[in-house]
Amino acid sequence: LAKTTQPISMDSYEGQEVNITCSHNNIATNDYITWYQQFPSQGPRFIIQGYKTKVTNEVASLFIPADRKSSTLSLPRVSLSDTAVYYCLGGKEGGKLIFGQGTELSVKP
Amino acid sequence: GAVVSQHPSWVICKSGTSVKIECRSLDFQATTMFWYRQFPKQSLMLMATSNEGSKATYEQGVEKDKFLINHASLTLSTLTVTSAHPEDSSFYICSALEVGQYFGPGTRLTVT
Repeated sequence: LAKTTQPISMDSYEGQEVNITCSHNNIATNDYITWYQQFPSQGPRFIIQGYKTKVTNEVASLFIPADRKSSTLSLPRVSLSDTAVYYCLGGKEGGKLIFGQGTELSVKP
Repeated sequence: GAVVSQHPSWVICKSGTSVKIECRSLDFQATTMFWYRQFPKQSLMLMATSNEGSKATYEQGVEKDKFLINHASLTLSTLTVTSAHPEDSSFYICSALEVGQYFGPGTRLTVT
């Protein structure tokens, strides 16, 4: 399972785009990269998953370079309700997930 | 999307008693479920993998006799914390595999 490294915390303001980069140097060939969001006292919520290049859904985009040693979660125009902890995980689809420390995002008015 | 529920959402028990937490996949069948524990301001720690019809696989350092896991059906896994002590107070979260992994809302356990 890939060991991931993320910034411990980030600050942003409402309406800004936020990019959170995750390093996963030892990601395996078959591993996907998945991002989760967690609010206090709640279970993590799936945001987005990708294998390479770019993936976009209704809430975020995920950029994965060709070497797949890092990935960037992009949140467009954040609001106060996006204040949460964001986790980047690398692992096989359908396999167990090992959570790293996560990034605590604080969005200010 | 897939929904996972947990019951109870919070529980307070006395030291030495046992507590059972249920994890249900509401609209899909899950052969595999996972149990995590999370202490305040910390990340989720995987405790065990629960497989329907077979014994759970525990992560290193997790006492299988203390944290009993039963996955008796394709929609239900239970975690029983036996002889609970204050240090077992934590937030317990389950997840279930469908296409992707979906998490329950968590159970806050407080042992007094």
